[in-house]
Amino acid sequence: SYVLTQPPSVSVAPGQTATITCGGDNFGSKSVHWYQQKPGQAPVLVVYDDGDRPSRIPDRFSGSKSGSAATLTITRVEAGDEADYHCQLWDSNIDHYVFGSGTRVTVL
Amino acid sequence: QVQLVQSGAEVKKPGASVRVSCKLSGYILSQVSIHWVRQAPGQGLEWMAGFDGETLYAQRFQGRFTMTVDTTSGTTYMDLTSLRSDDTAVYFCATDIGFTRFDDWGQGTLVTVSS
Repeated sequence: SYVLTQPPSVSVAPGQTATITCGGDNFGSKSVHWYQQKPGQAPVLVVYDDGDRPSRIPDRFSGSKSGSAATLTITRVEAGDEADYHCQLWDSNIDHYVFGSGTRVTVL
Repeated sequence: QVQLVQSGAEVKKPGASVRVSCKLSGYILSQVSIHWVRQAPGQGLEWMAGFDGETLYAQRFQGRFTMTVDTTSGTTYMDLTSLRSDDTAVYFCATDIGFTRFDDWGQGTLVTVSS
């Protein structure tokens, strides 16, 4: 089945840019979605369809995808962005949803 | 406004069974697919099963896990049997309105399996 690989952790200073990658076999037309999860809370969708944003999510969050990698970028990082971030796609070959392993973003 | 409200935390002994519920409001079940996602302590998210007219299970959750849906009340249930310590996890329900992503989530239910 499809496997999505994320780095376990990313550290970033306040005001800087955090980049979180999600690797897999050639994504092709598969849409990649990203979730933010703070400790003790349910995940929240922050980017969908590779690079679109729900209206409630600030424009500091953006996403992109190319070939075998998807990227979530957080600009002007704030302390409140400290969380786990998970990528996800739907594997149409087996009708399964697949999550990445998650990346913990630490704001220094 | 969509809301998913889950049942409370459970503590069970190995070998026991548990039922976790999730009540949907703001949508009727025919408008969405509803899913269960597991998160073991310190681990990532893992899709377990979903209902979109019929139930589909991730391969590794076939057998001891059963998802049922009461379309009248808008409530979905996850039954877990023959519990093991590695079933200790937070179980989330979530909805997909048809775009292969989870727009709304329940608050999560912690199931602890311990002797």
